[in-house]
Amino acid sequence: DQQVKQNSPSLSVQEGRISILNCDYTNSMFDYFLWYKKYPAEGPTFLISISSIKDKNEDGRFTVFLNKSAKHLSLHIVPSQPGDSAVYFCAAQSWFQGAQKLVFGQGTRLTINP
Amino acid sequence: DAGVIQSPRHEVTEMGQEVTLRCKPISGHDYLFWYRQTMMRGLELLIYFNNNVPIDDSGMPEDRFSAKMPNASFSTLKIQPSEPRDSAVYFCASSFGLRDTEAFFGQGTRLTVV
Repeated sequence: DQQVKQNSPSLSVQEGRISILNCDYTNSMFDYFLWYKKYPAEGPTFLISISSIKDKNEDGRFTVFLNKSAKHLSLHIVPSQPGDSAVYFCAAQSWFQGAQKLVFGQGTRLTINP
Repeated sequence: DAGVIQSPRHEVTEMGQEVTLRCKPISGHDYLFWYRQTMMRGLELLIYFNNNVPIDDSGMPEDRFSAKMPNASFSTLKIQPSEPRDSAVYFCASSFGLRDTEAFFGQGTRLTVV
């Protein structure tokens, strides 16, 4: 049962253009969402997050949008740079009976072409 | 702090052998997560601990998998007996048990079962 889904396994974008990565979730208990970036042979690193009480969070070139009614979030990168080439994971956090749980999607491999 | 430390970085073992993966979380973090990265399911949550107590092990694929956290600074994930389909990258992550905080990942252990 995949509670967090990233339906695009890969995405290719030209340098300087906008990259849009999408994520859908099924569990309405999720109240905090995160994006992680992963380079080969390294662990995922935190990129940006958004609380369920917001619909947008911006940090430099990175913006995350949350549509709670559609259970959908997206990550926008603009302008895209070659160093952004990596695998991006969407994650969702929930709390149940005082315990935190963090669930990830399958990941999307982003390639930025010069 | 050196971050989350996992060992070994690479492990090659023969089918049927016991494999033990190790993790040292960031000091002060009270949550520890074990994930397995696969192409199909992305970062799959196997089990997580809060204050050294297992909270949810529903992601553990089979009885061949077990995890322990004997103290706040050490956890193990054991596979016995190992099978070729267990080949994957296994990540450990830790976090503070607070709302709206991110988890920090180790560099992972690449396991190959031949």
